Amino acid sequence: GEDVEQSLFLSVREGDSSVINCTYTDSSSTYLYWYKQEPGAGLQLLTYIFSNMDMKQDQRLTVLLNKKDKHLSLRIADTQTGDSAIYFCAQSGAGEYGNKLVFGAGTILRVKS
Amino acid sequence: DTGVSQDPRHKITKRGQNVTFRCDPISEHNRLYWYRQTLGQGPEFLTYFQNEAQLEKSRLLSDRFSAERPKGSFSTLEIQRTEQGDSAMYLCASSLTGGYTFGSGTRLTVV
Repeated sequence: GEDVEQSLFLSVREGDSSVINCTYTDSSSTYLYWYKQEPGAGLQLLTYIFSNMDMKQDQRLTVLLNKKDKHLSLRIADTQTGDSAIYFCAQSGAGEYGNKLVFGAGTILRVKS
Repeated sequence: DTGVSQDPRHKITKRGQNVTFRCDPISEHNRLYWYRQTLGQGPEFLTYFQNEAQLEKSRLLSDRFSAERPKGSFSTLEIQRTEQGDSAMYLCASSLTGGYTFGSGTRLTVV
C-alpha cells in the first residue's frame, strides 16, 4: 500500500540549515512533493522532484531523492523564522488515475531566533 | 485569478445537520480534488473530478458524503447527518497537468 512517514518535529536556530526527512513506500510514484502549511492556512507547494532525478535545487531549498532507499529529504539553507511551519512530504499515488497525492503526517519546523 | 477559493472558511454545525461547502478552482484547471485533514495529520484524499466527471472516490467518502461538479467549474461537497468525527479541515485543490494549487480550506466543527 501507499504510506509516507516523516519525523514529527525539528527545531533549529535562525541561520542554520534544516533537513526534513521522509520515507515512502510506492516505488511507482512519478513525482514527490514538499508542501508547507502555516497555521490556519492551506498547503503551499514548495518544490517537487521527478522520480528519475537525484537532486533538485531551488534557491534556499535542496531536495535529495534516494530512490533505492525510498528516502526524500528537504534541506532549507539559512533557515529564517518565517520558515516555521508544518512541512508535508507527498507522493503521487498509484490509483486508477494516478493523480491523488498521499501525504505524510507532517514535520513541525520551529525556528528559534 | 486569485487561486482556489473555498467557502465558507469556518462552519460550526450541530450533530445531525447537513452542511455544504463550495470550491472555486483556478479557471483553466480541469482537475479538482477534495481532501480532508484532521489535527496532527496530513491531508487524506477524498475524491477527484476531471471536468464534470467524478473519476475516483476514496473509501473514506461514506454514503453521507456527496460531491458534485455540475458544469466542470466550481464543486460542492455535502455532508449529510454530520457526526463529531466529521470535524476536520476540508481542502480543495485544482490542477491542469501536474502540481496542485490548494485552497485555504473550510474548517468544520461538529458540536
